[in-house]
Amino acid sequence: DQQVKQNSPSLSVQEGRISILNCDYTNSMFDYFLWYKKYPAEGPTFLISISSIKDKNEDGRFTVFLNKSAKHLSLHIVPSQPGDSAVYFCAASAVTSGTYKYIFGTGTRLKVLA
Amino acid sequence: NAGVMQNPRHLVRRRGQEARLRCSPMKGHSHVYWYRQLPEEGLKFMVYLQKENIIDESGMPKERFSAEFPKEGPSILRIQQVVRGDSAAYFCASSPITSGVLEGDFFGPGTRLTVL
Repeated sequence: DQQVKQNSPSLSVQEGRISILNCDYTNSMFDYFLWYKKYPAEGPTFLISISSIKDKNEDGRFTVFLNKSAKHLSLHIVPSQPGDSAVYFCAASAVTSGTYKYIFGTGTRLKVLA
Repeated sequence: NAGVMQNPRHLVRRRGQEARLRCSPMKGHSHVYWYRQLPEEGLKFMVYLQKENIIDESGMPKERFSAEFPKEGPSILRIQQVVRGDSAAYFCASSPITSGVLEGDFFGPGTRLTVL
């Protein structure tokens, strides 16, 4: 049972345009969400997070939107740069339940074309 | 200010051998998490440890896999009698003591295990 889903395995975007990566979840207990970026042969790098008490969090070119009623979050990257080409994972956690483990989606491979 | 360190980075084992993966958390971090990434899949939680304690091992296979985080030294993920299906990238993450929301764990570069 995949509790966190990233239905688009890949996405190509022109440099300078907006990249939108989507993530859906099924467990209503999730209250904290993160996005990670991963390059080949490296560990995931934390990008941005959002708590369920918010519906938007922004950090530079990265903005995460959370729609709790739809159990959906998205990561917007604008403007996209070639260095953003990587695999992006969303992850969710039920922090208030105290376990702190993250459930990851299967990732979306973003390719930013120069 | 070293990050999370994992060794070896690559490990090749024959079926039936043992694999030992090591993780040294960031300085000051006393919580360690192990995740496994199978080919073409996302990261799957395996186990969460604090020093000398296993807090949550709900993602660990019941047999052949064990983990420890001793008072001194790195955390060890041990896989006995490896099979081809154990071939994966194993990532360790660490975090500091916190009673609140985590800002994002710090992941190591991973150990890529190949079972021949």
